[in-house]
Amino acid sequence: EIVLTQSPGTLSLSPGERATLSCRASQSVSSSYLAWYQQKPGQAPRLLIYGASSRATGIPDRFSGSGSGTDFTLTISRLEPEDFAVYYCQQYGSSQGTFGQGTKVEIK
Amino acid sequence: QVQLQESGPGLVKPSQTLSLTCTVSGGSISSGGYYWSWIRQHPGKGLEWIGYIYYSGSTYYNPSLKSRVTISVDTSKNQFSLKLSSVTAADTAVYYCARGEGYCSGGSCYAPFDYWGQGTLVTVSS
Repeated sequence: EIVLTQSPGTLSLSPGERATLSCRASQSVSSSYLAWYQQKPGQAPRLLIYGASSRATGIPDRFSGSGSGTDFTLTISRLEPEDFAVYYCQQYGSSQGTFGQGTKVEIK
Repeated sequence: QVQLQESGPGLVKPSQTLSLTCTVSGGSISSGGYYWSWIRQHPGKGLEWIGYIYYSGSTYYNPSLKSRVTISVDTSKNQFSLKLSSVTAADTAVYYCARGEGYCSGGSCYAPFDYWGQGTLVTVSS
């Protein structure tokens, strides 16, 4: 099982600031099969990024993903009020897809 | 716009079988390239993938749950279902159904989840 470790656990930022979220895998993620999701309280997760760097349909370009192998990053270039949420990474390139434990982006 | 909706009992007794159904609207469950999945989230915790099913009936399960999980599909009703046997309090969670777009090969699935249901809370308690 590939274990994903996200850091930091909580990120306290102000609207307009840049957010950088990290996801580290315990072993290499095959062909960058790495996705990022956003979840708000009481809602289902929403797919933001797949294939490590491809934005899902309708996702604003302030969201970007990068990385390969074991180290991946989600960047939100300028935080909008609606971006404060929990973010999860997921690897789906093995026989057992796994999620990270999440990073909460909160208003400072 | 594809929509998914979970349905089923919100309370299950320990040792019994949890049964949920996901109804898909706005698209056919028989469309190629999509894998239909169950995912759960323990209260206040992260996400756990349970399994995928293709419209043909091929299934792919999380090894940690495989002995207790059955996922089935009913293409005539555009639905797929989850059964989880011998439940305990540790199975209390919000259960989501979701669509994965991609492919499965060699026992692995390469399909991130692009559409999700709203989720349904299932509590295991006597």
